[in-house]
Amino acid sequence: GNSVTQMEGPVTLSEEAFLTINCTYTATGYPSLFWYVQYPGEGLQLLLKATKADDKGSNKGFEATYRKETTSFHLEKGSVQVSDSAVYFCALLTQGGSEKLVFGKGMKLTVNP
Amino acid sequence: GAVVSQHPSRVICKSGTSVKIECRSLDFQATTMFWYRQFPKKSLMLMATSNEGSKATYEQGVEKDKFLINHASLTLSTLTVTSAHPEDSSFYICSARPSAGYTFGSGTRLTVV
Repeated sequence: GNSVTQMEGPVTLSEEAFLTINCTYTATGYPSLFWYVQYPGEGLQLLLKATKADDKGSNKGFEATYRKETTSFHLEKGSVQVSDSAVYFCALLTQGGSEKLVFGKGMKLTVNP
Repeated sequence: GAVVSQHPSRVICKSGTSVKIECRSLDFQATTMFWYRQFPKKSLMLMATSNEGSKATYEQGVEKDKFLINHASLTLSTLTVTSAHPEDSSFYICSARPSAGYTFGSGTRLTVV
């Protein structure tokens, strides 16, 4: 079946630290991959996406590369800010008859000044 | 951008009562909306797909009579948790797909006491 496994937190970092959130997936076919972010009190927002192997999604200093050989889509940012404090969800969009978003468990990140 | 408004953000109810959660598309029409549920430390799980003017499509294992979905207009879908029990306590999120991407509500924290 389709599933997403991501690093569990919570994680606390200092400002300007390097961030990696691991995400691996299991899927039939070639799904699209996403990172969503949920800031306190808000809905999930799309952070970045990649639709095929070797694609790199990037936004707000975050990057993730679609690695088909390792079935991974790890999220990275070179220097986090306090404003990056949020919950991060890795997700895939299934293919086939009924399209569905399948999410990982989410990881809460807190960045301290 | 496309906005989905979800209400209420938090609700506490007594066992045996019913609770209604609303999901509105504010600046677009949504023929389809999605309802997710998140247990603590678990993934967001798709519960059902709400279709305007027709019956909702429920995921396997989701009780249709327990979680009533109504999508009577192009801008409003409701989820009613009937005869709520403490095990129904969870975080419920709705979503719509206005164009190429998904837009999410900010979620409803339901606590059944």
